[in-house]
Formats: sequence, C-alpha cells, structure tokens
Amino acid sequence: NAGVTQTPKFQVLKTGQSMTLQCAQDMNHEYMSWYRQDPGMGLRLIHYSVGAGITDQGEVPNGYNVSRSTTEDFPLRLLSAAPSQTSVYFCASSKTGHPNTEAFFGQGTRLTVV
Amino acid sequence: AQSVAQPEDQVNVAEGNPLTVKCTYSVSGNPYLFWYVQYPNRGLQFLLKYITGDNLVKGSYGFEAEFNKSQTSFHLKKPSALVSDSALYFCAVRDGGNTPLVFGKGTRLSVIA
Repeated sequence: NAGVTQTPKFQVLKTGQSMTLQCAQDMNHEYMSWYRQDPGMGLRLIHYSVGAGITDQGEVPNGYNVSRSTTEDFPLRLLSAAPSQTSVYFCASSKTGHPNTEAFFGQGTRLTVV
Repeated sequence: AQSVAQPEDQVNVAEGNPLTVKCTYSVSGNPYLFWYVQYPNRGLQFLLKYITGDNLVKGSYGFEAEFNKSQTSFHLKKPSALVSDSALYFCAVRDGGNTPLVFGKGTRLSVIA
C-alpha cells in the first residue's frame, strides 16, 4: 500500500531557484492539500484541491503555486525560493463527501533554502 | 473560521501514569475533530476522530478522547502511558463540508521511564 508518496525527501536550494515538490496518492482521493511545518507553528495550510482542475489558497499561499490535472497528483511549485521557505512540507489526501473523513499524510519533504 | 488551541507546548508524564493532552476548538457549525501523532522524522498518523453522539471516542494504541461540547474541548487521554508514546501530538478540526483541516500548534509528549 503506497498511500501518499512525496518526493524528494530532502532538498537544498539556493535563494532564487525554483523547484517542484511532488505528491502522488493511489487511494482515489478527491481532496489533496499541502502543509508546511515549522517549529512552534504547527501545520499551516498552503494550498488545497477538492478535485482535478480545482485548487484554492490556504493560510500561507504566497510564493507557491499548485495545479491539479489528475486525481492522483498534486505538485507544489516554489517559484523563486527564499530562506523563509525553509521548512518541512507535507502532502495529505482524503475522500470528500463527508467532513468526518480522516486525512492521510505523506512522509514529508525537508527543504532548506540557503 | 475554525481554529484549534493546544495550550501546552510540552507535557511530561511518568511511565504507567495517565496522560492528558488538551485541545479546545472554535467552529461556526458542527465540529469534526481529529487527533494525529507524529514520531521523529515521520509524517502524521491518524489516531482517532470524534463521532457525533459519542463523548468518549477510542482510537489506536490505547488512546481515547473526551468530547465536551459546553467546554468546546476534545482532550486526548490514555490510562497508562508508555515510553513509546513520546511524540508530537496534533489536534485538528474541520468545519463541515469540504473545508480544510486546521491544526493546532502541537504538544510534545515526553514519557519518562
């Protein structure tokens, strides 16, 4: 059971570089989301999607882009990396239709911007 | 908008003693509440969720949570703590429909042998 798969697990970027964090799920979940985890801040929502072709902004969307062309994939793009984007990024997925459905998380991507 | 508060950054408990990790929430409609656990360098794992009508919910690894509507709380409990329970615990809430999960800042639980 693959569940939610994130790649890469670790990444070091230079300021100004761009990159894409990959997220794929094999559970046919409609709902996918990206969070960042920073010490003392908990998990903060970056972007989310309720289905293919639909995305929306979360609490901290600036500097990030997303698209959802398939049900399985939800990549997160950093347009021009900044040191403030150093964080651990988590992708999650869940079924829609009832709000009592738990989310499944990937193992995370630890990103350092120097 | 929904929100979650975890008032304790750190909870220390001796092995074998009961533990409580506190969570209070704010929603405009019915609350959909969850607890997750994160072990070092791992993703979040689902522990349990509130089920409407059940004020005491049982979950994985012997954990349970007590829902109190009047106090808007959903505290995580375990009767007898294990050293292996040491981890970061997150409370989360969803405010119905397809709204996103909103997380608290997390509480680090340390169980001492």
